[in-house]
Amino acid sequence: AQTVTQSQPEMSVQEAETVTLSCTYDTSESDYYLFWYKQPPSRQMILVIRQEAYKQQNATENRFSVNFQKAAKSFSLKISDSQLGDAAMYFCAYRAYTGTASKLTFGTGTRLQVTL
Amino acid sequence: DTAVSQTPKYLVTQMGNDKSIKCEQNLGHDTMYWYKQDSKKFLKIMFSYNNKELIINETVPNRFSPKSPDKAHLNLHINSLELGDSAVYFCASSQGNSDNQPQHFGDGTRLSIL
Repeated sequence: AQTVTQSQPEMSVQEAETVTLSCTYDTSESDYYLFWYKQPPSRQMILVIRQEAYKQQNATENRFSVNFQKAAKSFSLKISDSQLGDAAMYFCAYRAYTGTASKLTFGTGTRLQVTL
Repeated sequence: DTAVSQTPKYLVTQMGNDKSIKCEQNLGHDTMYWYKQDSKKFLKIMFSYNNKELIINETVPNRFSPKSPDKAHLNLHINSLELGDSAVYFCASSQGNSDNQPQHFGDGTRLSIL
């Protein structure tokens, strides 16, 4: 069974600084998808970024980028130029590549605080 | 414009009651999901339906019964509610045949059992 581990329950970053959130996963599959979701206090689940395991290039979305290390099964999220609106719970998630209804397996989340 | 909508957003009820949460998506997706987020924020899959057919059932008690009248709707009915059922329940959808497409989530339903 796949597992996703986020070892940082809480992180803090100053506005305009950079922060990296860690995520590791365990799978025997060679093809899969990885996601980072953001959950602000409004409790919406918002997709931040996604990565296909077969792509070597790290995904980027504006200020958000990932460091995908397939051999190490590591998928960290880097937030550059942090903004107050980035404060939220961040969940790393894994999804199998095959299957018509592959579930998301989530990590336990990292609460990110952004300070002035 | 809401892609995945759940009703109600909040549900407060007493132990032992039966309640339903409705979910509708207008994205044309063929796969829908229910997730449960507990008090520690841990999100876990409960069910998944693909074209109205149950695909995933993750050891959820029989008191929980999903129903999918069509592929745009996936409702969750809960019988004999217990204190441990208090959580936020998220509905989500995706296009099952295009696995590179992410799941879109509803805003969640906070269920509180008194």
